Amino acid sequence: TQLLEQSPQFLSIQEGENLTVYCNSSSVFSSLQWYRQEPGEGPVLLVTVVTGGEVKKLKRLTFQFGDARKDSSLHITAAQPGDTGLYLCAGPTGGGKLIFGQGTELSVKP
Amino acid sequence: DVKVTQSSRYLVKRTGEKVFLECVQDMDHENMFWYRQDPGLGLRLIYFSYDVKMKEKGDIPEGYSVSREKKERFSLILESASTNQTSMYLCASTPGGTGAFSGNTIYFGEGSWLTVV
Repeated sequence: TQLLEQSPQFLSIQEGENLTVYCNSSSVFSSLQWYRQEPGEGPVLLVTVVTGGEVKKLKRLTFQFGDARKDSSLHITAAQPGDTGLYLCAGPTGGGKLIFGQGTELSVKP
Repeated sequence: DVKVTQSSRYLVKRTGEKVFLECVQDMDHENMFWYRQDPGLGLRLIYFSYDVKMKEKGDIPEGYSVSREKKERFSLILESASTNQTSMYLCASTPGGTGAFSGNTIYFGEGSWLTVV
């Protein structure tokens, strides 16, 4: 069974700090996605990484796919209160399904 | 704008009741999904569907069934609600009908909060 493990589960930081969230698996994935979910809303796609070693940037967010395609990281530079939310990684499994990590709950205090 | 609409945002039901959660998408997507989300467990797939009248079990189908009579509508049914089904339920859709997830964006509804008492 393919699993995605996210760490940390909770993160509370001050505005302006940097942080990294990790998504790890013992299985190889053809691609990984990162979603952000705000309270009371459904998750919204941030990025899809498809090539081992790939780095993608979205403003202050940097996403990396591991060389072996078993892990990914999300790095936020100079976090802002608007970055607060639940961050989820997700990857495809056989048969058209998408599995999700447990999520990282990020709180950025002003 | 693409849209996945879940008809009920908040429901309170009694143990043993039959519960229907409705989901409609306006993007002509082939694939539709039902997940439940619980703190610390992430999203877990209940059922999904590649096409009208087709359904596949996800990871936690016990106690649930689904119906897809029209392409745009995917319903989740709790035949006899129990307290351990109290959760947030998310409907989602994505294009493609072959069953192979190709990295397309998956679009989620806003969620339905179900409390079973």
